[in-house]
Amino acid sequence: GAVVSQHPSRVICKSGTSVKIECRSLDFQATTMFWYRQFPKKSLMLMATSNEGSKATYEQGVEKDKFLINHASLTLSTLTVTSAHPEDSSFYICSARDTGTGVGQPQHFGDGTRLSIL
Amino acid sequence: QKEVEQNSGPLSVPEGAIASLNCTYSDRVSQSFFWYRQYSGKSPELIMSIYSNGDKEDGRFTAQLNKASQYVSLLIRDSQPSDSATYLCAVNALYNFNKFYFGSGTKLNVKP
Repeated sequence: GAVVSQHPSRVICKSGTSVKIECRSLDFQATTMFWYRQFPKKSLMLMATSNEGSKATYEQGVEKDKFLINHASLTLSTLTVTSAHPEDSSFYICSARDTGTGVGQPQHFGDGTRLSIL
Repeated sequence: QKEVEQNSGPLSVPEGAIASLNCTYSDRVSQSFFWYRQYSGKSPELIMSIYSNGDKEDGRFTAQLNKASQYVSLLIRDSQPSDSATYLCAVNALYNFNKFYFGSGTKLNVKP
């Protein structure tokens, strides 16, 4: 159980393109999902916490107009990198918690999306 | 001071040995503790959760929690080369169950 599906797994596109990444909880409902960014050999960096039916909470230094998050249902959150540039190239990972089972539940991670902007 | 501290390693152990990974946390009221394994180029994978003081065993893995000393550890018995990865410690705050603090991870190398 507790499977999180993330698509696409890899994106290569030209500078200026907007890229949408989907994160789905397949066998549980997730009121809250999380979006991370990770550079090679570096730690996970939380970008934002996505809340179903409300605005996402962004971490300090993360541009909300650059990284648009939509959490329209209890099983789907999307991250759109708008007008992507080479410095946006990174490994983006989503995670979700099974909030229906109370506090103390772990985050379950998707497989990640490797974004390369040319 | 970081919320969660881990030695970055690398920790090198021979195949078949016990690998011991440690993590300390600063928030005394933290409630839930997790260990994740992350292979190079992959996303983290949950391997253990622990909520109460003491030991919790799952196969070759044992998580140990000591809330008084604010540390949590992970023991891997009979280490295998396939255990070579970065191990992340995560702590969940009591007052905000959506707030997780991740350590920077300890890189483990198991040598054949």
